[in-house]
Amino acid sequence: AQTVTQSQPEMSVQEAETVTLSCTYDTSESDYYLFWYKQPPSRQMILVIRQEAYKQQNATENRFSVNFQKAAKSFSLKISDSQLGDAAMYFCALFAGNMLTFGGGTRLMVKP
Amino acid sequence: NAGVTQTPKFRVLKTGQSMTLLCAQDMNHEYMYWYRQDPGMGLRLIHYSVGEGTTAKGEVPDGYNVSRLKKQNFLLGLESAAPSQTSVYFCASSYSGLAFGEQYFGPGTRLTVT
Repeated sequence: AQTVTQSQPEMSVQEAETVTLSCTYDTSESDYYLFWYKQPPSRQMILVIRQEAYKQQNATENRFSVNFQKAAKSFSLKISDSQLGDAAMYFCALFAGNMLTFGGGTRLMVKP
Repeated sequence: NAGVTQTPKFRVLKTGQSMTLLCAQDMNHEYMYWYRQDPGMGLRLIHYSVGEGTTAKGEVPDGYNVSRLKKQNFLLGLESAAPSQTSVYFCASSYSGLAFGEQYFGPGTRLTVT
């Protein structure tokens, strides 16, 4: 069985500051993919960033970047220059063995 | 393009009743998925389909059935609803498989079973 754990139920950040959301995972598969999804109050799920496990280089998408530590099975999301529109639930997800598993989510609040 | 649409948006059922949730996508995607999201939890995959006429079980398939008779539609059925099936249901579709993560999600259906 594979698991995804997000240990921070809620996080808060000041607008324009940087925040890091944590995620750890466990899988016995050697080939897998990791994702961060954003779910705003509209409940729509939006893909934020994707990382292939075989790639050592950390993925980046504009203000979003990850710190992928394969040996530690850690996959954190860094949001730089936080904006009010970043306020949402953030889910870490793991695809391995033909299964997609989500973590429990972190609620991010952005203070103006 | 409408993207992924779900019908209905809300539904209340009594225990033992049956219903079907409809998911439709107009992006010509091969892959379609049904998830459920319970409070404080991430999404869990119920069933998925890798093409017209095919279905497969996900993480939590018990109590649900699905059908993919047309490429653009993916139906989720509850034959005998139970309170444990109270949840928000999301449909998603993608051009490629789950590994690529480019899933397009519908707006969700909130189901309450009393």
